[in-house]
Formats: sequence, structure tokens, C-alpha cells
Amino acid sequence: QKEVEQNSGPLSVPEGAIASLNCTYSDRGSQSFFWYRQYSGKSPELIMSIYSNGDKEDGRFTAQLNKASQYVSLLIRDSQPSDSATYLCAGSTNAGKSTFGDGTTLTVKP
Amino acid sequence: DTAVSQTPKYLVTQMGNDKSIKCEQNLGHDTMYWYKQDSKKFLKIMFSYNNKELIINETVPNRFSPKSPDKAHLNLHINSLELGDSAVYFCASSQVETAYEQYFGPGTRLTVT
Repeated sequence: QKEVEQNSGPLSVPEGAIASLNCTYSDRGSQSFFWYRQYSGKSPELIMSIYSNGDKEDGRFTAQLNKASQYVSLLIRDSQPSDSATYLCAGSTNAGKSTFGDGTTLTVKP
Repeated sequence: DTAVSQTPKYLVTQMGNDKSIKCEQNLGHDTMYWYKQDSKKFLKIMFSYNNKELIINETVPNRFSPKSPDKAHLNLHINSLELGDSAVYFCASSQVETAYEQYFGPGTRLTVT
């Protein structure tokens, strides 16, 4: 079992729809969770961080964390073609060890 | 102002050669990392340094040797390059105070022929 698993893609949504990306983790030592966006040929870029149970909203992005279920998600509202990218979920322990999921490729169709 | 920079951006070399990749960050972070992203796009941590001290050393061939001369620099030296070393190598930095949110460099695409 991988330490961080993401729903297998690719995921395709129409422009304006909600894109839902999911992630589960197995290391209960992970305390902080992150979503990174990676455009083709570019480096990962941090878009959301979440540390406690519940929802965290930032513009069109909402991250959700449920530590009991070991589940993290990212919702993208009003999806735009510019949101088309690979999204990486990552968990980090307090010692700074980060583990990344394999990524989910999102395509937003105009 | 580049936050995390890497040199070179591209590296093409032959099997058996030795090469180095350099990374510098100007964010004042105390932790730096090397990641390898293969053709399947899976991002795998290789090493992590905190204030010049090695704290994470994943299962990586000992042909790979990181060096951190100071907390703003982390270099990666690779001996006896193999075809399987072809990948994109990313440097990243973070700090404890922000729970290790990571900022990545632009990557070095290594091609071994």
C-alpha cells in the first residue's frame, strides 16, 4: 500500500463545474497536508495547506481534512481551463518527512 | 528574484560519467530537499537537510551524494551515471515554522545516454 494514494485519473470536467480530487494516507504520523499543482514541464507549486480537521477555503479552492478517516480532498469550484494540471497530494510528519501521491491529472474542457 | 534556483536546467551526459546539480534558495528556509520525478511523473524524495544536517536519506544508490555547504545551498553529486538515472530532479526548501510547506526549484532534466 502506498503511503499517499490519490484517486486515479485522469479527471475531466467541463468549464464552470466543480472538480473533486481525493487523497488517502496511511502514516498517522503525518500532521500537515498539502496540495500542489504541477503544469506539464513545470515544477510543483503549493496551492493549499491544511493542518486541522475540517475545511479550509482559499478563493475557488477548498481543502478538507479528516484525520480519523485519513482522508484529504481538494475541491475546485468554477473550474477554468487554466486549472488543467496534475494535482499532487502530500503529507508531512513533524520531522519534515514529506510523502507525495502519484498525482491526479485534471482537464477542464471549455 | 528567484526563490529556489537550480543549475543546470538541462544535463545530457553519457553513462559512467559523474555530474553535479546545484541548488540555492533565498527564502531563509532551514530545510532543503532533493526529489526525483521519473517518466511516470511520480515524485520521490531522495534526501532532506535541515541546517546542513542530513535528516532524511531514502533508499537511494550510494552513487548519489548530497552536500550542503550552508543552509541556503544543497548540491547533488552523482557518480557513474546509469540510464535509469534519467529523470527530472527537483530541489525544494521549507521551514519548520510553516509546517514544511515546500517551494520547488524549476528542476534539472537529466538525460543519460
